[in-house]
Amino acid sequence: QKEVEQNSGPLSVPEGAIASLNCTYSDRVSQSFFWYRQYSGKSPELIMSIYSNGDKEDGRFTAQLNKASQYVSLLIRDSQPSDSATYLCAVKPGNTPLVFGKGTRLSVIA
Amino acid sequence: EAQVTQNPRYLITVTGKKLTVTCSQNMNHEYMSWYRQDPGLGLRQIYYSMNVEVTDKGDVPEGYKVSRKEKRNFPLILESPSPNQTSLYFCASSLTAGSGANVLTFGAGSRLTVL
Repeated sequence: QKEVEQNSGPLSVPEGAIASLNCTYSDRVSQSFFWYRQYSGKSPELIMSIYSNGDKEDGRFTAQLNKASQYVSLLIRDSQPSDSATYLCAVKPGNTPLVFGKGTRLSVIA
Repeated sequence: EAQVTQNPRYLITVTGKKLTVTCSQNMNHEYMSWYRQDPGLGLRQIYYSMNVEVTDKGDVPEGYKVSRKEKRNFPLILESPSPNQTSLYFCASSLTAGSGANVLTFGAGSRLTVL
């Protein structure tokens, strides 16, 4: 059973702080890693993808991948109340479909 | 506008009354998939399709059927809905299922209630 684990939260951070979201996965052959953001009652939307070890930055978002330790993380700098949402980690284990974690709920307090 | 369109967005039905949730994409994507989302359980895959006439079971296929007769459409069929199928359903598509081209685009969701 391929698994993707996330802390369900809620993770509460003050406005302007760095939010750190973590995800671990079980399948070592996983090749593609994604972070989706989902506002309550809405559909998930892609915010970051990462395919190789290291950091990938896009604006206030940084994805970090460590394949040896089988974890991927998402940092949100200068967190805003509009970042309050559930963040879904998704992992593609080889040629099988994407596997989603259950999500971490982030609350940014103004 | 590139999008995945689901209908209906909201539906209340009764046990045993067959229903179909339609899904259509206009991006010429090969891969399409259905998920259900329930509190505390996250997104769970019901069925997926790698291409026309190719479908496969996901993690929770019981009680559902799908077909992929055309590339753009991937309807989800509930032959005899039961209350445990009350959920929020998402259709999603991507260019292919392969690495590097498998960013999913989601539909807006269909909230189904079975009484």
